[in-house]
Amino acid sequence: DVKVTQSSRYLVKRTGEKVFLECVQDMDHENMFWYRQDPGLGLRLIYFSYDVKMKEKGDIPEGYSVSREKKERFSLILESASTNQTSMYLCASSLRGTGGRDTQYFGPGTRLTVL
Amino acid sequence: DAKTTQPPSMDCAEGRAANLPCNHSTISGNEYVYWYRQIHSQGPQYIIHGLKNNETNEMASLIITEDRKSSTLILPHATLRDTAVYYCIVRRNNAGNMLTFGGGTRLMVKP
Repeated sequence: DVKVTQSSRYLVKRTGEKVFLECVQDMDHENMFWYRQDPGLGLRLIYFSYDVKMKEKGDIPEGYSVSREKKERFSLILESASTNQTSMYLCASSLRGTGGRDTQYFGPGTRLTVL
Repeated sequence: DAKTTQPPSMDCAEGRAANLPCNHSTISGNEYVYWYRQIHSQGPQYIIHGLKNNETNEMASLIITEDRKSSTLILPHATLRDTAVYYCIVRRNNAGNMLTFGGGTRLMVKP
C-alpha cells in the first residue's frame, strides 16, 4: 500500500512564525503535491514537484515556498505565517504518468491554525 | 478538465448498495473518470478510476455509460465507515497532474 505521511495532524502557530510542514512518501513516486482545502473553496494546489530539487507553482503559491531535497520528502514552508493561512494542508504523491494513470495518494492532512 | 455534476447528498441503509451518480457530459475521449472520497477531517482517499470499461476493485465498482457522459460508483454493501464526501473527477491530459475537486456527494450511511 502507498503510504503518505505528514509530520503533524494538528498545529497551532502565531502570526509571523516560520512554519514547516513535512510530507514523506514510501512508494518511490516522482510527483509530489501540496494542496490546501478550505470550506466552500475545495482543493487548491499550492506547489508541486516532478523530481528532486524541482518545483512548480500551483494556483496559490503566494506566501509559501517548498523544498524537495530527497525524492521521498516534500516540505512546505510558510515564511511568515498569517491568519489567512489557517487551513487544512494536504500532501499527495503519484507516479509520473499521463492520461489519468497517475493516481494521486493523499496523506492524512495537517490542520494548521494561525493565531 | 470536464465539469462534473453530483447530487449534494444521499442516504443509504447499512448493508445495502450505495449508488452514487455523476454526470460528465462534456468529457473528452481521452479523459478518465476518477472517484475519491474524504472522510471527515482526513485526507482524500483514492477509490477507483476508468476510461470506458466498467471497473471493479476491492472497494467499489465503477459503471460508465456507453456514451461516457455519466457514471455510477457502487459500494456493494455500505457500512457506517463509508460515510464520507465522494468526489467524481474527470482527469484532463497533461494538466500537471493537478486534481480539482468539485462539491461532491455527501453520503450518509445509516444503521
